[in-house]
Amino acid sequence: KQEVTQIPAALSVPEGENLVLNCSFTDSAIYNLQWFRQDPGKGLTSLLLIQSSQREQTSGRLNASLDKSSGRSTLYIAASQPGDSATYLCAVGDYKLSFGAGTTVTVRA
Amino acid sequence: NAGVTQTPKFQVLKTGQSMTLQCAQDMNHEYMSWYRQDPGMGLRLIHYSVGAGITDQGEVPNGYNVSRSTTEDFPLRLLSAAPSQTSVYFCASSFGRAQETQYFGPGTRLLVL
Repeated sequence: KQEVTQIPAALSVPEGENLVLNCSFTDSAIYNLQWFRQDPGKGLTSLLLIQSSQREQTSGRLNASLDKSSGRSTLYIAASQPGDSATYLCAVGDYKLSFGAGTTVTVRA
Repeated sequence: NAGVTQTPKFQVLKTGQSMTLQCAQDMNHEYMSWYRQDPGMGLRLIHYSVGAGITDQGEVPNGYNVSRSTTEDFPLRLLSAAPSQTSVYFCASSFGRAQETQYFGPGTRLLVL
């Protein structure tokens, strides 16, 4: 059974600081790894999808890396803004996803 | 496109009552899934479907039924609600099996008293 862990559970940074969010998984035989954003009381929005053959994906200020051999992914958010405050979820799998519990980020103005 | 829609947004049930959570998508996606989200835990897969007429169990299927008569709709039925089913329920869909982004609905908050 795939286990996905996200550490830390919560993170608070001043505006402008770079964010580093970690995700680890136990089974390296994965199809994809996705990073989602969840705002309080809302659904999930996909940020980045890394296919198993890829090592990283970038979108604007976001960059996600994937190291299957070590079972790790890292989401980098450059120059954080208060609007980046949300919970970030990591998930692995195909159409059946295994999720981590998330990292709740607060960016202080 | 409306994307993935879910109704109701919020529901209160008494123990033993039954209800159906509705999910619909207008993107012609073959793959649809139901997850529940509990505090401090990641989302957990309840049931999924790979096309009309085809469903299967996920990680936590007990107490829930699903059916998929059309590509667009994937309702989740609670047979006899229990307090342990108090949770936020999310429906998701994707076009293909892999290499595809999953789209999530806004969720249904369920409270079972």
